[in-house]
Amino acid sequence: GAVVSQHPSWVICKSGTSVKIECRSLDFQATTMFWYRQFPKQSLMLMATSNEGSKATYEQGVEKDKFLINHASLTLSTLTVTSAHPEDSSFYICSARDVQGSEKLFFGSGTQLSVL
Amino acid sequence: AQKVTQAQTEISVVEKEDVTLDCVYETRDTTYYLFWYKQPPSGELVFLIRRNSFDEQNEISGRYSWNFQKSTSSFNFTITASQVVDSAVYFCALRGTSQGGSEKLVFGKGTKLTVNP
Repeated sequence: GAVVSQHPSWVICKSGTSVKIECRSLDFQATTMFWYRQFPKQSLMLMATSNEGSKATYEQGVEKDKFLINHASLTLSTLTVTSAHPEDSSFYICSARDVQGSEKLFFGSGTQLSVL
Repeated sequence: AQKVTQAQTEISVVEKEDVTLDCVYETRDTTYYLFWYKQPPSGELVFLIRRNSFDEQNEISGRYSWNFQKSTSSFNFTITASQVVDSAVYFCALRGTSQGGSEKLVFGKGTKLTVNP
């Protein structure tokens, strides 16, 4: 089955630093990738939708200058948390939809970000 | 606006018991899709099922079954003869079509299922 690889699985960083999270579709091409955020014991909230070769679409309340998304190829999208602060600590998870138009979304394994 | 409600925050059962996870949704779209995902402790989301709004036929997959009732806007999930490995958080999700095919999934808050041996 289709696999989405997300890296790193967890990261601890100091406040003020930037963190990059990668999301790769391993055996299919993804025209669209999605980034979600999940606080402890909470649901997943969509942060942004990224389309290959174009600017990401951010959900209301998500700072695009803080959460930089790049979808430069059909197999890779990156989320960079710039100048991270403790309140950015969360579980980030990506998902991808293949170019064949499948209704099924494939999710990465998630990244636990802890900002000290 | 789309909304998904999973009223059960946590459920605890003993192995081999049957358990039903409730999901109620709200949407004004006539065409929409409903999903269930499993999130084990490791964090990744595992796709379980997708159902479109025109297909009200109930589905069974092994020990899993789903009951889609459009009249009550519910899409409940039942695990028969539960096992310890079923312990996870289960999310119900909805995707509408009013935004020209937007892929935006709206998730419920999840139900944490604990199956005790």
